[in-house]
Amino acid sequence: ETGVTQTPRHLVMGMTNKKSLKCEQHLGHNAMYWYKQSAKKPLELMFVYNFKEQTENNSVPSRFSPECPNSSHLFLHLHTLQPEDSALYLCASRVEQGASNQPQHFGDGTRLSIL
Amino acid sequence: DAKTTQPPSMDCAEGRAANLPCNHSTISGNEYVYWYRQIHSQGPQYIIHGLKNNETNEMASLIITEDRKSSTLILPHATLRDTAVYYCIVRSSGNQFYFGTGTSLTVIP
Repeated sequence: ETGVTQTPRHLVMGMTNKKSLKCEQHLGHNAMYWYKQSAKKPLELMFVYNFKEQTENNSVPSRFSPECPNSSHLFLHLHTLQPEDSALYLCASRVEQGASNQPQHFGDGTRLSIL
Repeated sequence: DAKTTQPPSMDCAEGRAANLPCNHSTISGNEYVYWYRQIHSQGPQYIIHGLKNNETNEMASLIITEDRKSSTLILPHATLRDTAVYYCIVRSSGNQFYFGTGTSLTVIP
């Protein structure tokens, strides 16, 4: 139990569907992150939120739309995805404060398969 | 952030110490070294981090060389459940934790 919960754990969707991934952290952290992990590739940072404000978007296609309504919840809205978007999507959180060296804590991810 | 170099794979006998090396020759003075591991189908699990002093917690020990250009993660008594991919990460104050491809550790019975 890492304190970061992601739902659903598995998701299969067609290319025309709309779905959302949810992340909730119970650690009192103020920064949250979305990562993508494709097979046999390193983790790729997608989005960063500090105090509910998006501070980083690593050139992610617009078919991925993040939402952070508060410091404890993070969503990733998906629409018209492509087969190459099939991957493990990981959420992480940490205390982001000045020169903080605190580590990120990860959820177990959502395994997404696009048909 | 400095990049890291790790061997792609290692084996370790169950009950023995597992010593996982990491080179970070371009590390700068304010960059911390972090270790994570990822067991198949789970998210990365934080293990330990340090700046220049050696660190120990309930999971592992982190040994950082005096020049800080390399470090070693030590699992003192490896078990089968320690089989995972281990990532060594160096970062400063930015948001990015660059995970690289890590070391795949196999603990052998």
